[in-house]
Amino acid sequence: GQNIDQPTEMTATEGAIVQINCTYQTSGFNGLFWYQQHAGEAPTFLSYNVLDGLEEKGRFSSFLSRSKGYSYLLLKELQMKDSASYLCAVFDSNYQLIWGAGTKLIIKP
Amino acid sequence: DAGITQSPRHKVTETGTPVTLRCHQTENHRYMYWYRQDPGHGLRLIHYSYGVKDTDKGEVSDGYSVSRSKTEDFLLTLESATSSQTSVYFCAIKTSGSDTGELFFGEGSRLTVL
Repeated sequence: GQNIDQPTEMTATEGAIVQINCTYQTSGFNGLFWYQQHAGEAPTFLSYNVLDGLEEKGRFSSFLSRSKGYSYLLLKELQMKDSASYLCAVFDSNYQLIWGAGTKLIIKP
Repeated sequence: DAGITQSPRHKVTETGTPVTLRCHQTENHRYMYWYRQDPGHGLRLIHYSYGVKDTDKGEVSDGYSVSRSKTEDFLLTLESATSSQTSVYFCAIKTSGSDTGELFFGEGSRLTVL
């Protein structure tokens, strides 16, 4: 079967750095997405990786290792507004999106 | 803003009643999706559409039907709602000009089946 694993919940301090990991086992791979979802709201697109390496976008970076079936989302200079769930999703060989259950990130002052 | 609106945003209904959720887009995108989101689960695809009258099943399609009679509207129908269909339903579109294929989501419809 296809599976995406993420930690259920993480806690970090305002101003710090946090890394949210995602591991996947899917039938094929055609790209990996990270989405942010604030409580009670819709998911919004953060990043896309299809090649190995690090993609940086402001305070957020996303890393991919296809050989290890692994990605992480790195959030720097954490702000209270970063409190949200972070969803990892993978395009499989048929370009179907497989979603992880999400990681709830709690930011403390 | 991809111009997606869902209605109703909140609905409480009783077991056995029919329910229709509407997703409306303003930008003529071809691909539209219906997902449900439940605690402890990732987003799960119910049905999707790749054009007018062209739809296909997702991984959790049992108990749901869809229709797309015009480009801008994608309807999700629960013919006879059950308590297991209590969930938050999200409509999404894939924008035509995207290189990555990311989805844009509507605000969600929270359905409670008593």
